Amino acid sequence: NAGVTQTPKFQVLKTGQSMTLQCAQDMNHEYMSWYRQDPGMGLRLIHYSVGAGITDQGEVPNGYNVSRSTTEDFPLRLLSAAPSQTSVYFCANSPWTPHEAFFGQGTRLTVV
Amino acid sequence: GENVEQHPSTLSVQEGDSAVIKCTYSDSASNYFPWYKQELGKRPQLIIDIRSNVGEKKDQRIAVTLNKTAKHFSLHITETQPEDSAVYFCAAPSGGGADGLTFGKGTHLIIQP
Repeated sequence: NAGVTQTPKFQVLKTGQSMTLQCAQDMNHEYMSWYRQDPGMGLRLIHYSVGAGITDQGEVPNGYNVSRSTTEDFPLRLLSAAPSQTSVYFCANSPWTPHEAFFGQGTRLTVV
Repeated sequence: GENVEQHPSTLSVQEGDSAVIKCTYSDSASNYFPWYKQELGKRPQLIIDIRSNVGEKKDQRIAVTLNKTAKHFSLHITETQPEDSAVYFCAAPSGGGADGLTFGKGTHLIIQP
């Protein structure tokens, strides 16, 4: 029982490149979300999903896309990476929105 | 949407003493207030939460109090130990049509031996 699994753990991108951060859960929770964490800023909500086929924007959605084709997976896509997207990204799930969030181990992304 | 303010940003206490971290929120409709602990390089982990129908909740050495009238809630850690050293985040539901949590900016708690 892995909980919430994020891959990769570390990634370096060049400006303009695209990539997908993977998030998978084995807890069968409906609610999943993506946060970014920057020094001194706490965690900020990027996108979230209340179930398969349903996604919506959070506080800082620009430059990111998500999809939710299954309950288990919630990938985050960076369309054209920018240095401002250098951050640590956390995927989280919870049994119902938005409470008792359980976080994955995070992906540290650097855009050069 | 919700706005969460957290103080102090850094707190240093002697081992064995108590630590208190305070948060204020803006949306009077918020009804759930979790606290997360994040050790260096690790994921945030939920340590305690409180719902708006109670004023206080305890779990061993940690407690959370909620004042709905004043719109603030606090984390209390008693008999602090070295393993309590971490960054602590408070949060509240984002509201404004967005599901999710709005986090405070964090408090770095340092336990001095």
